[in-house]
Amino acid sequence: KAGVTQTPRYLIKTRGQQVTLSCSPISGHRSVSWYQQTPGQGLQFLFEYFSETQRNKGNFPGRFSGRQFSNSRSEMNVSTLELGDSALYLCASSSPGGGTEAFFGQGTRLTVV
Amino acid sequence: QKEVEQNSGPLSVPEGAIASLNCTYSDRGSQSFFWYRQYSGKSPELIMSIYSNGDKEDGRFTAQLNKASQYVSLLIRDSQPSDSATYLCAVSLGYGGATNKLIFGTGTLLAVQP
Repeated sequence: KAGVTQTPRYLIKTRGQQVTLSCSPISGHRSVSWYQQTPGQGLQFLFEYFSETQRNKGNFPGRFSGRQFSNSRSEMNVSTLELGDSALYLCASSSPGGGTEAFFGQGTRLTVV
Repeated sequence: QKEVEQNSGPLSVPEGAIASLNCTYSDRGSQSFFWYRQYSGKSPELIMSIYSNGDKEDGRFTAQLNKASQYVSLLIRDSQPSDSATYLCAVSLGYGGATNKLIFGTGTLLAVQP
């Protein structure tokens, strides 16, 4: 069974640009969550999508957005990039119920210069 | 007060010993509890999940949950150098319900000395 696939693995962007990251969950998993990991803040929850609807959102500015498609694949977008957005962005896939096990993809390492 | 607290370590144990990792959480409504292992430069890997008070064993790993004390722990028996990693405690308010949102602790760095 294929795991969670995130693309791209690495990105270098310039301040002010925008970026789109993609996540394909484990087959059958309809819940996709996104996290940001930085050395200073650790792993922080961005948002969760289930059946194409955002059902939970973390404390991040509106520059961070996401969506989920009918095949459960998800994308997150960061607009007007700032240096502080440099981080490892992780996608986690879970089966539909709440509080179930979450499996992470390999992550996208974003560097903003 | 942080929602999920862990000692950042490093926790150093000799090969073959038992490593004990601890985590406390603040929200009494928390329902689901997880331990992840993260090697440097890699993504978190799920090791254990626990939902009820008591112990849950899986191979060399035992997770312990005490909801009254708001305390979760992970024991690693017969520690190996390959167990050297950061161990993340994660907590969810959801159980069979509305969210898979996880709140993570900052992680404990475990170093197993050969």
